[in-house]
Amino acid sequence: DADVTQTPRNRITKTGKRIMLECSQTKGHDRMYWYRQDPGLGLRLIYYSFDVKDINKGEISDGYSVSRQAQAKFSLSLESAIPNQTALYFCATSDPSRTVTDTQYFGPGTRLTVL
Amino acid sequence: AQSVTQLDSHVSVSEGTPVLLRCNYSSSYSPSLFWYVQHPNKGLQLLLKYTSAATLVKGINGFEAEFKKSETSFHLTKPSAHMSDAAEYFCVVRGGGYNKLIFGAGTRLAVHP
Repeated sequence: DADVTQTPRNRITKTGKRIMLECSQTKGHDRMYWYRQDPGLGLRLIYYSFDVKDINKGEISDGYSVSRQAQAKFSLSLESAIPNQTALYFCATSDPSRTVTDTQYFGPGTRLTVL
Repeated sequence: AQSVTQLDSHVSVSEGTPVLLRCNYSSSYSPSLFWYVQHPNKGLQLLLKYTSAATLVKGINGFEAEFKKSETSFHLTKPSAHMSDAAEYFCVVRGGGYNKLIFGAGTRLAVHP
């Protein structure tokens, strides 16, 4: 969905490095989410934000931090990357005021490899 | 607690034959259920969603799913597979008070000529 963009799309880094993944959306949604995908595990929630001042941990937040710079931007940081953070990372957005189910819309993903 | 189980990790069909991807859910209340598709090197796209209205839900690209409360199932079907349907499919249930999505492990669909 071109309305949700993620940068970079691919990144290779080394253990111990700090890295930031960025997400931008033009959908005007208040809610934003970060997930990671590992083979055979589906997607798991790292952090979510319901507005600029409301940020919450998901199921697997250890080793990650986030920043909601604006309604449209939500960044995920790995302060000191480790190999088991190698995964595909997805950003998602939703707007509960527009749909009963508060459907989430996903970006194209960032493939991160930590050596 | 809510959960989903996708019963097959891989499904292989021939082009033009029916597709069945199976999903069972567990929920302590009336669930919201979704199917998402992920094509290679692409993001996740919403196929369809169940919101406690009609039990037979029609989605994009000819897919549909039927909510069966008695069987706690939400299987995805398509009458005739196309090569472009080859992808990974995720059954998802919404749970928790903050729109948490709980994903199944995924089913990889292969379509052969």
